[in-house]
Amino acid sequence: DQQVKQNSPSLSVQEGRISILNCDYTNSMFDYFLWYKKYPAEGPTFLISISSIKDKNEDGRFTVFLNKSAKHLSLHIVPSQPGDSAVYFCAAIIIQGAQKLVFGQGTRLTINP
Amino acid sequence: EAGVAQSPRYKIIEKRQSVAFWCNPISGHATLYWYQQILGQGPKLLIQFQNNGVVDDSQLPKDRFSAERLKGVDSTLKIQPAKLEDSAVYLCASSLDRGMNYGYTFGSGTRLTVV
Repeated sequence: DQQVKQNSPSLSVQEGRISILNCDYTNSMFDYFLWYKKYPAEGPTFLISISSIKDKNEDGRFTVFLNKSAKHLSLHIVPSQPGDSAVYFCAAIIIQGAQKLVFGQGTRLTINP
Repeated sequence: EAGVAQSPRYKIIEKRQSVAFWCNPISGHATLYWYQQILGQGPKLLIQFQNNGVVDDSQLPKDRFSAERLKGVDSTLKIQPAKLEDSAVYLCASSLDRGMNYGYTFGSGTRLTVV
């Protein structure tokens, strides 16, 4: 049962333009949603998160939007830079209980010069 | 602050052999996680420790996988015997507590290839 889904395995964007990565979820009980970035041969690193009671969170070039009614969130990167080329994972967590972080399949973002 | 340390970085074994991975979390982090990431998929939680107690091991294949966290610090994950489908990157992560403001800090992982 895939509770968090990233339906685009890859995305290619030109440097300087906006990158939009999408994520859908099925469990309405999730309290927080997180984005992680992963370079080859490294572990995922935390990028940005959003509480389920918010609809937007911004940190520099990164903004996450949450649409609870559609069970959809997106990560916007503006402007995109070559160093943003990586695999991006969407993740979600329920605070009560075991607090298990559930990941999507990931989207490989390539920024072209 | 030193990150989460994992060893070895790479391991190749034949099926039915045994293998062990080691993780040293960030100092003071009470919660430790082992994730399995199969190529093309997102990380999947295998086991979660709070100090040296198991919080969640519902997705750990207990017939072949085992894990321990001695003295609430270092942890080892063992597979015995390994199967071809165990080929994956095994990620260890730790967090200061179970609050969400800190996120998880992941190690670089151990890439296991079973042939």
